[in-house]
Amino acid sequence: KQEVTQIPAALSVPEGENLVLNCSFTDSAIYNLQWFRQDPGKGLTSLLLIQSSQREQTSGRLNASLDKSSGRSTLYIAASQPGDSATYLCATERQAGTALIFGKGTTLSVSS
Amino acid sequence: KAGVTQTPRYLIKTRGQQVTLSCSPISGHRSVSWYQQTPGQGLQFLFEYFSETQRNKGNFPGRFSGRQFSNSRSEMNVSTLELGDSALYLCASSLGQGPETQYFGPGTRLLVL
Repeated sequence: KQEVTQIPAALSVPEGENLVLNCSFTDSAIYNLQWFRQDPGKGLTSLLLIQSSQREQTSGRLNASLDKSSGRSTLYIAASQPGDSATYLCATERQAGTALIFGKGTTLSVSS
Repeated sequence: KAGVTQTPRYLIKTRGQQVTLSCSPISGHRSVSWYQQTPGQGLQFLFEYFSETQRNKGNFPGRFSGRQFSNSRSEMNVSTLELGDSALYLCASSLGQGPETQYFGPGTRLLVL
């Protein structure tokens, strides 16, 4: 049974700092991995999708990497801004149409 | 293109009642998945529908059921509500084929008293 862990559970950084969020998973037989952002009381916004054959994806200040062999993914946020404050969730999918298995998330606070 | 919409956004029910939540996917998307989010358990998968057929189901009791219509809109029903059913219910839509981004709606917040 897939288990997804995100460490740390919470992170506070000053504006402008580069940071890395970690995601680990126990079953390397994944179809893809997604990173989401969730603002308080709101739905999820997809940030990046990494297919199982890919090693990384980039979007603006965000870069996500995937190492299936070690069961790890990282989300790198460059030059953090107060608007980046949110909970970041990673999720794995075993095959198309199956459940996304989510970690508990990392709550990021960026202070100005 | 309009995003995923969910109605109602907020709902208060009492124990024993039943509730129906609705999800309208992005136009052209044929897959709709439902998730329950609680502070203790996080996000948990309920079920996924593709072209009106339930394709996958999570580990929830039979009180939780769903369906999908020919226009891909989906409904989720919870019967005999329990206090522990209080949660944010999220639906996500996608084309349903191949590795692709899943797009989530804003959720329905259900409070059971």
